[in-house]
Amino acid sequence: ILNVEQSPQSLHVQEGDSTNFTCSFPSSNFYALHWYRWETAKSPEALFVMTLNGDEKKKGRISATLNTKEGYSYLYIKGSQPEDSATYLCAFLGTGNQFYFGTGTSLTVIP
Amino acid sequence: DAMVIQNPRYQVTQFGKPVTLSCSQTLNHNVMYWYQQKSSQAPKLLFHYYDKDFNNEADTPDNFQSRRPNTSFCFLDIRSPGLGDAAMYLCATSREGRGTGANVLTFGAGSRLTVL
Repeated sequence: ILNVEQSPQSLHVQEGDSTNFTCSFPSSNFYALHWYRWETAKSPEALFVMTLNGDEKKKGRISATLNTKEGYSYLYIKGSQPEDSATYLCAFLGTGNQFYFGTGTSLTVIP
Repeated sequence: DAMVIQNPRYQVTQFGKPVTLSCSQTLNHNVMYWYQQKSSQAPKLLFHYYDKDFNNEADTPDNFQSRRPNTSFCFLDIRSPGLGDAAMYLCATSREGRGTGANVLTFGAGSRLTVL
């Protein structure tokens, strides 16, 4: 069983604050790292798919970086808004073609 | 617009009473997955289908079975639910391969199972 860890487990920030959280994963047998956003009562939705060391992806105020050599990815949210409140899951996809999820970071943005 | 639909969204059952959860997709994806997520834990893969090929995780209890009668539908059967089976069950699909969109999971909204 592969270990994928996310930190922090939960986070409360004020509207307008910027925030970031971490996903750690094994640095061997890497194929891709996915970030998913899961709002309450909705389906988890793909945010980013990252495959190359040094990848940086951006979607609006949200961005992510990837370091496959040391086995971590950061997700950044600039100027958090209440609609950013969700659980953010990362998933490691290895060469064995199976996804391993972290426990998620639950973000609450306080208006 | 929903592309992966799970039913029911909420299921309450009694200890030992069989339950079936369903998942349907309109994406024509060849891979379908069932994940179990308990509170504050990572989603755990129970099994997945690559087309009709069934792949069971080694630690998935025998109590859990699955069927995929065609590309669009997949079912999770819990033969004798115990209290420890209370969880959110997520169905996901993906298109295996290369290129944009390959291997990205599309999830349903989940089925939350309560066992009394």
